[in-house]
Amino acid sequence: DTGVSQDPRHKITKRGQNVTFRCDPISEHNRLYWYRQTLGQGPEFLTYFQNEAQLEKSRLLSDRFSAERPKGSFSTLEIQRTEQGDSAMYLCASSLDGGQGSPLHFGNGTRLTVT
Amino acid sequence: LAKTTQPISMDSYEGQEVNITCSHNNIATNDYITWYQQFPSQGPRFIIQGYKTKVTNEVASLFIPADRKSSTLSLPRVSLSDTAVYYCLVGEKNAGNMLTFGGGTRLMVKP
Repeated sequence: DTGVSQDPRHKITKRGQNVTFRCDPISEHNRLYWYRQTLGQGPEFLTYFQNEAQLEKSRLLSDRFSAERPKGSFSTLEIQRTEQGDSAMYLCASSLDGGQGSPLHFGNGTRLTVT
Repeated sequence: LAKTTQPISMDSYEGQEVNITCSHNNIATNDYITWYQQFPSQGPRFIIQGYKTKVTNEVASLFIPADRKSSTLSLPRVSLSDTAVYYCLVGEKNAGNMLTFGGGTRLMVKP
């Protein structure tokens, strides 16, 4: 399967701990997005990369959140000093920019539970 | 960003055609209309995308009137496995940072 993969699928952590999630996009895709989804709501945009450059951050992305895509391939999303309100599904998506481009391809997410 | 309005939920029966309409009165000239499907504990999956008139692929059709202020996703002969949330999005083509998902339409297909 060459789709978008995310690791881990589930993460339970205690409030105040740091967590890091990984996303491996489709290999030829140059854009990578992070979204957050809470129960019963649609995904909300957090940030995106064009290759290794982080081009936009949502106001939802507080200073406790940081994302990287060091070599323009996989990406990590770190949350420091987690809070209970951070509990959500974190979705990664990738797409191909340029020409006709491609629609977003999503991974199956990392479900974070902060206790 | 263009906002969309779609029904919160719909019920149907196996074998029926389902039409989900989405309103997007403030759609911009450069905006495309894209529909995604999402099952529980999975990420959204692209279904179909269009700019005007009608688009058809192997799973759905998308009807867009001339004024483009609404669109209708048509699912032919639904099965139980089509039970999911369907999101209508409007924005620049494939610009994920410009897309607002909203709450979607929860489709329940009954036997």
